[in-house]
Amino acid sequence: AQSVTQLGSHVSVSEGALVLLRCNYSSSVPPYLFWYVQYPNQGLQLLLKYTTGATLVKGINGFEAEFKKSETSFHLTKPSAHMSDAAEYFCAVSDGSGYSTLTFGKGTMLLVSP
Amino acid sequence: GAVVSQHPSRVICKSGTSVKIECRSLDFQATTMFWYRQFPKQSLMLMATSNEGSKATYEQGVEKDKFLINHASLTLSTLTVTSAHPEDSSFYICSARDQGGIGYGYTFGSGTRLTVV
Repeated sequence: AQSVTQLGSHVSVSEGALVLLRCNYSSSVPPYLFWYVQYPNQGLQLLLKYTTGATLVKGINGFEAEFKKSETSFHLTKPSAHMSDAAEYFCAVSDGSGYSTLTFGKGTMLLVSP
Repeated sequence: GAVVSQHPSRVICKSGTSVKIECRSLDFQATTMFWYRQFPKQSLMLMATSNEGSKATYEQGVEKDKFLINHASLTLSTLTVTSAHPEDSSFYICSARDQGGIGYGYTFGSGTRLTVV
């Protein structure tokens, strides 16, 4: 079984500050890891994903995440927050098989103040 | 990139009626689609997995007779909420798994806000 823990249901930053959203996972097999963003009343948009290879993954909108197997973590970062980054962020894991489903964390709401 | 179109985006229906939500993969074939339900300020709850040409697999606790899923083609899956009641009001999101690129990804529709009055 897989699980995802996102520390902090809400994270507040100032515009221009570093964004750090934490995600830890549990998986008995090598995981595929994803970060999604959701704006109000919309579906999920993929920010980035890790499958294999380079552990530092760059995504859209300046976000990146690093897969750390020893820490079972996949934290999302962005050097400088923008007001438009305010949204709900979900970390998700799958087992990488052809028929797996996504297991989501509970989400972290990112609040950006001017 | 992969695009999933979900319609309608919002629907209001009377209690006791049925509502159909469509999920289409526009530029890829999706052999597997997923249906999620999201309660306010909560994460996504997987309701069922549908595979083209076969019966959907429902998660524990999801009523298969209330939430009918049909995946008759490689680009279309539908969710029908039958005999809807106010407690069925929620945000429903579909997702399709595409096989392109490095590894594979899950593309989500824009969601449907269902309100049962």
